[in-house]
Amino acid sequence: QVQLQESGPGLVKPSETLSLTCTVSGGSISTYYWSWIRQSPGKGLEWIGHIYNTGSANHNPSLKSRVTISIDTSKNQFSLKLRSVTAADTAVYYCARSGGSYTRNQLRMGGMGVWGQGTTVIVSS
Amino acid sequence: DIQMTQSPSSLSASVGDRVTITCRASQSINSYLNWYQQKPGKAPKLLIYAASSLQSGVPSRFSGSGSGTDFTLTITSLQPEDFATYYCQQSYSIPPLTFGGGTKVEIK
Repeated sequence: QVQLQESGPGLVKPSETLSLTCTVSGGSISTYYWSWIRQSPGKGLEWIGHIYNTGSANHNPSLKSRVTISIDTSKNQFSLKLRSVTAADTAVYYCARSGGSYTRNQLRMGGMGVWGQGTTVIVSS
Repeated sequence: DIQMTQSPSSLSASVGDRVTITCRASQSINSYLNWYQQKPGKAPKLLIYAASSLQSGVPSRFSGSGSGTDFTLTITSLQPEDFATYYCQQSYSIPPLTFGGGTKVEIK
């Protein structure tokens, strides 16, 4: 059974870079799409972006200029870097897995069927 | 971006009740609609994918319907473990994938 585990600092200073890693166990990272999602305190879910094993990534345009998602297939891990953080980036960050396929050259995704437990990141000095 | 609007934002119901949650997309998303359940302090759990397909292991009292812009999640005979927040999510147009604002199902 595939399991995902987020790891990284729980406290980041304003203007610095938030860095998280998601480790995939029980299965290969070499298929599926691997996403980052966050949830601010008491709020809903926000998709940050995803990456495929080829390194092809998509990001939420609202965050795109600050986000880098990378993948290391040799370690079965993918990572998130979010630059220039502010208090508004305080959230629980989740990693998740979903399927996807191209239909008429458009990427269509499946549901996110596997999630990590989430990790809380607080942005504060 | 495709906006997802859920209603109601919260509801109170009793064990055994039939509960219906609706989700409306700002444009057609065919059947690329997923439903999640989230309990406090836990990650979301996929219940329904492709609008009406039940995720493996999810009880059959959960069902989904709809296509285009209007979708419904129905829970027949609400159970104590079903009190949670439910989110819809479109997976048709990317980026970005977008979620609805959530519906909190509380005990009456």
